[in-house]
Amino acid sequence: GENVEQHPSTLSVQEGDSAVIKCTYSDSASNYFPWYKQELGKRPQLIIDIRSNVGEKKDQRIAVTLNKTAKHFSLHITETQPEDSAVYFCAASMTDYKLSFGAGTTVTVRA
Amino acid sequence: DADVTQTPRNRITKTGKRIMLECSQTKGHDRMYWYRQDPGLGLQLIYYSFDVKDINKGEISDGYSVSRQAQAKFSLSLESAIPNQTALYFCATSDSKPGQSSYNEQFFGPGTRLTVL
Repeated sequence: GENVEQHPSTLSVQEGDSAVIKCTYSDSASNYFPWYKQELGKRPQLIIDIRSNVGEKKDQRIAVTLNKTAKHFSLHITETQPEDSAVYFCAASMTDYKLSFGAGTTVTVRA
Repeated sequence: DADVTQTPRNRITKTGKRIMLECSQTKGHDRMYWYRQDPGLGLQLIYYSFDVKDINKGEISDGYSVSRQAQAKFSLSLESAIPNQTALYFCATSDSKPGQSSYNEQFFGPGTRLTVL
């Protein structure tokens, strides 16, 4: 099955700085890559996703890039704010529905 | 608002007991999922269902069973609970119909924290 590795496991950034989380996947057939955000004590929620026919996607302060050759994808958060503090999960899928998640990155934004 | 709900929200039980976790949704989605979340391991798929008659094993189905009683209801059972099944369990739903703005997005319930002593 698909194996997704996510780094770093924890990330502390100063408010206003950028945060980058990287994920690698094992199966070259994977074609759907969502990112979920889970605030403390809350449920995970989709924040952005990308398909393998696109190299980059942006939504306001967040962006995701995909390198199919290297089998890795990254989440970029610019101008971080306190409300960006959360656990972020990447995932990969060949089917759109059967997601394999990374272990998560705990992001702390320091005021 | 259309939502995904789970009951109970917290449960403490003893080794060997049978436990059922329930999930209901008012989103009208056809696909439903059960995940478990352990610290440092992310979310692992236990079972998923495309409709009432279509149920599939995920990565970690051993020790668990499910029932899709209706399109809106999907329950997870632990026939004989053991301590290493202590975890946070999430139900999720998604819409398989292309063209919907939320196509493929998985909507999670609030979670059930299960402790097996």
